[in-house]
Amino acid sequence: DAGITQSPRHKVTETGTPVTLRCHQTENHRYMYWYRQDPGHGLRLIHYSYGVKDTDKGEVSDGYSVSRSKTEDFLLTLESATSSQTSVYFCAISEGWSMETQYFGPGTRLLVL
Amino acid sequence: AQSVTQLDSQVPVFEEAPVELRCNYSSSVSVYLFWYVQYPNQGLQLLLKYLSGSTLVKGINGFEAEFNKSQTSFHLRKPSVHISDTAEYFCAVSGTSGTYKYIFGTGTRLKVLA
Repeated sequence: DAGITQSPRHKVTETGTPVTLRCHQTENHRYMYWYRQDPGHGLRLIHYSYGVKDTDKGEVSDGYSVSRSKTEDFLLTLESATSSQTSVYFCAISEGWSMETQYFGPGTRLLVL
Repeated sequence: AQSVTQLDSQVPVFEEAPVELRCNYSSSVSVYLFWYVQYPNQGLQLLLKYLSGSTLVKGINGFEAEFNKSQTSFHLRKPSVHISDTAEYFCAVSGTSGTYKYIFGTGTRLKVLA
């Protein structure tokens, strides 16, 4: 299994509070991704990174920011959490671009009250 | 731009019966195609992928898929399912050129019945 960990695994927070989710990899893969999974929507890309300090927006990036200061860590921040951000968040990594397999972390369940 | 459609949100099937999970895509460029599986409370893992060459792709756990360019489809099949195949299956498409897009379908929940 690819070495990907996510923390925390579960979180309950209140509307309006900031939340940071962490993804850590031990594979030295260049590309890292944050997805959210919601019933009826499958997986939707929030942000991705193609190198240290190189990030770009996905299809559902509003309300989220990311940072990657080291190859192994990719942080997702909800600046002011809303109930619509209640979801399961997955981090993924890949060695290369579009033809490459993505390897997924175990997910973080976030509940915003 | 690419898009992917999984028409069946749920597929119940009896153990040892064959199953086909459907995936159709649209794209203005050539594509790579993937099937991922998600077991309960886990992340996704790759079942198989089509990059080029033979249109019949074999994956793990006895699954296979066939790329049909004229039908823009990439259906997943297994001749005999087991209880342990109960999971959610996601089709994904990625373009071979142009702006990065790796698009997942909405998933098909396979329920294998004893």
